[in-house]
Amino acid sequence: AQSVTQLDSHVSVSEGTPVLLRCNYSSSYSPSLFWYVQHPNKGLQLLLKYTSAATLVKGINGFEAEFKKSETSFHLTKPSAHMSDAAEYFCVVSDRVTGNQFYFGTGTSLTVIP
Amino acid sequence: ETGVTQTPRHLVMGMTNKKSLKCEQHLGHNAMYWYKQSAKKPLELMFVYSLEERVENNSVPSRFSPECPNSSHLFLHLHTLQPEDSALYLCASSQDRYAGTGGQPQHFGDGTRLSIL
Repeated sequence: AQSVTQLDSHVSVSEGTPVLLRCNYSSSYSPSLFWYVQHPNKGLQLLLKYTSAATLVKGINGFEAEFKKSETSFHLTKPSAHMSDAAEYFCVVSDRVTGNQFYFGTGTSLTVIP
Repeated sequence: ETGVTQTPRHLVMGMTNKKSLKCEQHLGHNAMYWYKQSAKKPLELMFVYSLEERVENNSVPSRFSPECPNSSHLFLHLHTLQPEDSALYLCASSQDRYAGTGGQPQHFGDGTRLSIL
């Protein structure tokens, strides 16, 4: 069965410092993994996705994530936080064998301190 | 106009009212989804349509009634709602119902914020 655990419900960083949002997954098959961002009163915007190609995936707005099968992790990082990064972030796993159903994490709220 | 568009953005209704939420996608996708997003809870998948046919209904109460007249439009008809139905309702679309190879993403609209009085 598939599931996603976002290890931190809230993360606070200072502007200009690195961002790390942690995600662990479980999947019975080779997973596809996604990170989405949601700004207030907005829908979910795709940041990046992993689909069994390169394990280090680059996304929009300077974000990247690394797929580590041995650790069943897909952590999201950014070298330098910007005020506009303050939002809710969702890690999602999709099982490619049983279909495109998405399994969402509970989200991590990122606060950026000026 | 591109992407996934939802209307209205905000809706306030009484428990006895009947209203509908609309979703339109301009991406040429074949699958569309309704999600419910409540505070402090993970996104809940409500309905899935593939090629205008409902393929999944995740035990959603009958006071929510979806309709998919064509592959570009999806409606959620609401009647006799309860206060706990207040939430953000998100529509999404993807190329196909099944990801196959490549891990297709879902594309989301900005949602309708529903408040039940």
